[in-house]
Amino acid sequence: AQKVTQAQTEISVVEKEDVTLDCVYETRDTTYYLFWYKQPPSGELVFLIRRNSFDEQNEISGRYSWNFQKSTSSFNFTITASQVVDSAVYFCALSGPMNRDDKIIFGKGTRLHILP
Amino acid sequence: DGGITQSPKYLFRKEGQNVTLSCEQNLNHDAMYWYRQDPGQGLRLIYYSQIVNDFQKGDIAEGYSVSREKKESFPLTVTSAQKNPTAFYLCASRGGWGHEIDRSTNEKLFFGSGTQLSVL
Repeated sequence: AQKVTQAQTEISVVEKEDVTLDCVYETRDTTYYLFWYKQPPSGELVFLIRRNSFDEQNEISGRYSWNFQKSTSSFNFTITASQVVDSAVYFCALSGPMNRDDKIIFGKGTRLHILP
Repeated sequence: DGGITQSPKYLFRKEGQNVTLSCEQNLNHDAMYWYRQDPGQGLRLIYYSQIVNDFQKGDIAEGYSVSREKKESFPLTVTSAQKNPTAFYLCASRGGWGHEIDRSTNEKLFFGSGTQLSVL
């Protein structure tokens, strides 16, 4: 069975601090995909990143970076020099090999507060 | 612009009433999904459809029904059997598996802006 665990329910940091959101996953698939989505107060989920199980390179996009470690089944997300606009709920998600029957399973989300 | 449209943004249901949430996409996506979001519960999958005229139950399908008569549309009906319908409902779609596949599209979900359903 697939499972995504985001142990941090809520995090508050002061603006300009770095913050890391944790994501641990479980799957029996050898091919799988991991995602991060951002949900601002407006409600619509915004895609941030997709990573497949064969690509363990870390990725950086501006102030965002992702650390994928298969050995610990983790896909953590770091925001550097946080800004108030980063305040949102962040979801980690997992999918199998992307065939017709695959579902995308979400974690419970981490609510991030960036304090001015 | 291509995207997913959910309507209405807010919906109220009376006791014993069925209500239908609309989800329309013009992205030519094969797969569509309905998720329910409750505070502290994250997103839970209600139903999903990988192709027209076919759909499967997700993790919390009881009290809900769907149809997929057209590729563009995947309406969700919250029936009177759903005793705790108050939640935020999100519709999503994902790209196809045909020869025209665009992997960057196929490998991520596109979401609508959601419908907040409340009970009167």
